[in-house]
Amino acid sequence: AQKVTQAQTEISVVEKEDVTLDCVYETRDTTYYLFWYKQPPSGELVFLIRRNSFDEQNEISGRYSWNFQKSTSSFNFTITASQVVDSAVYFCALSEARQAGTALIFGKGTTLSVSS
Amino acid sequence: NAGVMQNPRHLVRRRGQEARLRCSPMKGHSHVYWYRQLPEEGLKFMVYLQKENIIDESGMPKERFSAEFPKEGPSILRIQQVVRGDSAAYFCASSGDRRNTEAFFGQGTRLTVV
Repeated sequence: AQKVTQAQTEISVVEKEDVTLDCVYETRDTTYYLFWYKQPPSGELVFLIRRNSFDEQNEISGRYSWNFQKSTSSFNFTITASQVVDSAVYFCALSEARQAGTALIFGKGTTLSVSS
Repeated sequence: NAGVMQNPRHLVRRRGQEARLRCSPMKGHSHVYWYRQLPEEGLKFMVYLQKENIIDESGMPKERFSAEFPKEGPSILRIQQVVRGDSAAYFCASSGDRRNTEAFFGQGTRLTVV
């Protein structure tokens, strides 16, 4: 069965600290996509990244980086030098894209609080 | 993701009333997904539609909920005879292909049932 687990419910850090949000997924498919979304206090869902199962290269975008490891079924997200504006709920999601019209399966989210 | 438009942003309904939530997908997208976010939970899939067709409604409650995506106009999620447990944020996502490899969300509609 497909499943996404974000074991960290809440994380609190002080500005400028680095923080890693964990995501572990389960799927039987060999073709799938992984996503991260940010949900700030205003409530909208902001797309951060999509990674397909054939591309294990890590990605960096500014202060954000993602570590995809198929061997451990993990897709972790690191924020370097965190800022107060990073405070939000972060969701990891899985899509088994081999099948048409497959919906996203979300983890329960990690609430990140960054204090000044 | 600013291209997916949902309205209203906030909707208050009394128990027993009907709620209609609208979603206009991004330009050129013909695939729409509805998700529900209950308090303190992640998003759960409800229904997947293409123009004039419901493809997968496995996540929809069996009663009171319905969805459509007509040839013209936005997709509509309709909840009849709302109850307090329907209070949630409802998000719509659109995709340009069948595999949902791109999933951009609207800003959501926050339904409050009083």
